[in-house]
Amino acid sequence: SQQGEEDPQALSIQEGENATMNCSYKTSINNLQWYRQNSGRGLVHLILIRSNEREKHSGRLRVTLDTSKKSSSLLITASRAADTASYFCATGTSGSRLTFGEGTQLTVNP
Amino acid sequence: DGGITQSPKYLFRKEGQNVTLSCEQNLNHDAMYWYRQDPGQGLRLIYYSQIVNDFQKGDIAEGYSVSREKKESFPLTVTSAQKNPTAFYLCASTPPGRTLYGYTFGSGTRLTVV
Repeated sequence: SQQGEEDPQALSIQEGENATMNCSYKTSINNLQWYRQNSGRGLVHLILIRSNEREKHSGRLRVTLDTSKKSSSLLITASRAADTASYFCATGTSGSRLTFGEGTQLTVNP
Repeated sequence: DGGITQSPKYLFRKEGQNVTLSCEQNLNHDAMYWYRQDPGQGLRLIYYSQIVNDFQKGDIAEGYSVSREKKESFPLTVTSAQKNPTAFYLCASTPPGRTLYGYTFGSGTRLTVV
């Protein structure tokens, strides 16, 4: 069963706008990660946030984590057409496995 | 450059055939994983291996088999027992310390039953 659920399933914005994607999960986690997948390609690791962290930044990416609500959000600021991709959250527990959500398809229109 | 190589990129299987998907990494990572992705969906774990000569079933292992004879290699065999094998297959690896470092993925193999 999928641990993470992304919302929305699809998002379409104009270049320069911000994009926000949300992820909810069900059980306790050690960390939460976000990945990007371009069509027909493998996933690329974007950012990891530990369960004791609340916010993390990397370039134009900002991730928040609320363990009390079991949710996370990924914000991409000043989006570009090249940001068009599917974005997945993945939750890590004490073992080595990651459990992935079903993803948000982001389209950035030029 | 270090990375994960999956081959072939496209694979066609006839009904009743076994096929093997290759995954090779030169990152010196201990743990390796196989995921299946169906159109418009997330990734589901098939098998994973944390060390040479050891592997564990994931959530959808039925109809699949793996081996881990070398640290660099983790091939996946899709057997005739897998009733609906058409999907995109992704291999990934992590260094010691496991998930805290994130996964490195290969570029995938698209398997189609003809």
